[in-house]
Amino acid sequence: QKEVEQDPGPLSVPEGAIVSLNCTYSNSAFQYFMWYRQYSRKGPELLMYTYSSGNKEDGRFTAQVDKSSKYISLFIRDSQPSDSATYLCAMSGFKANSKLTFGKGITLSVRP
Amino acid sequence: KAGVTQTPRYLIKTRGQQVTLSCSPISGHRSVSWYQQTPGQGLQFLFEYFSETQRNKGNFPGRFSGRQFSNSRSEMNVSTLELGDSALYLCASSSQTGPYNEQFFGPGTRLTVL
Repeated sequence: QKEVEQDPGPLSVPEGAIVSLNCTYSNSAFQYFMWYRQYSRKGPELLMYTYSSGNKEDGRFTAQVDKSSKYISLFIRDSQPSDSATYLCAMSGFKANSKLTFGKGITLSVRP
Repeated sequence: KAGVTQTPRYLIKTRGQQVTLSCSPISGHRSVSWYQQTPGQGLQFLFEYFSETQRNKGNFPGRFSGRQFSNSRSEMNVSTLELGDSALYLCASSSQTGPYNEQFFGPGTRLTVL
């Protein structure tokens, strides 16, 4: 079993839809949970991070962590064609020098 | 602040050759990590350098090696290239002064092995 599992996709939705992206993990030592967005021909860029369990909102994006279920989610409200990208979840331990472990990524396409 | 830069952006090699990829981190960042990204395996960690020392290593064969210079610039070398080495190689830098390991990625080097 991989440490981090992410729904493989791809995912195609109409503009304005609510998108839910999910990852599960097995390592209880993970404390920081991140979502990266990667546009075509670019490197990943950090979208949001959350520490431990709870929700975090940033504009149309909401990150949710449930440590008891070892499950994290990213919700995108009112999705736009500009949201079309690959989304990767990533996790790390408590220290700033902890290695990041990534999910495989899911490619999202938002149709106009 | 300039972002992470990687050179070259694209590379075509043949089996058996070797290749060297270069990464310049964000100014002031002392940690540089390298990843291999493929459609089948996703983003896989190769190694991390901090102040010229390899601090973490992923599960890759010894053909993959790296180094970091005193100015934090890093190079990655792959010897005896195989077809399966075709991938996007990403470099990420981090200051590691914050509460978590926030990594900033470069655009990657697309390596094609023929």
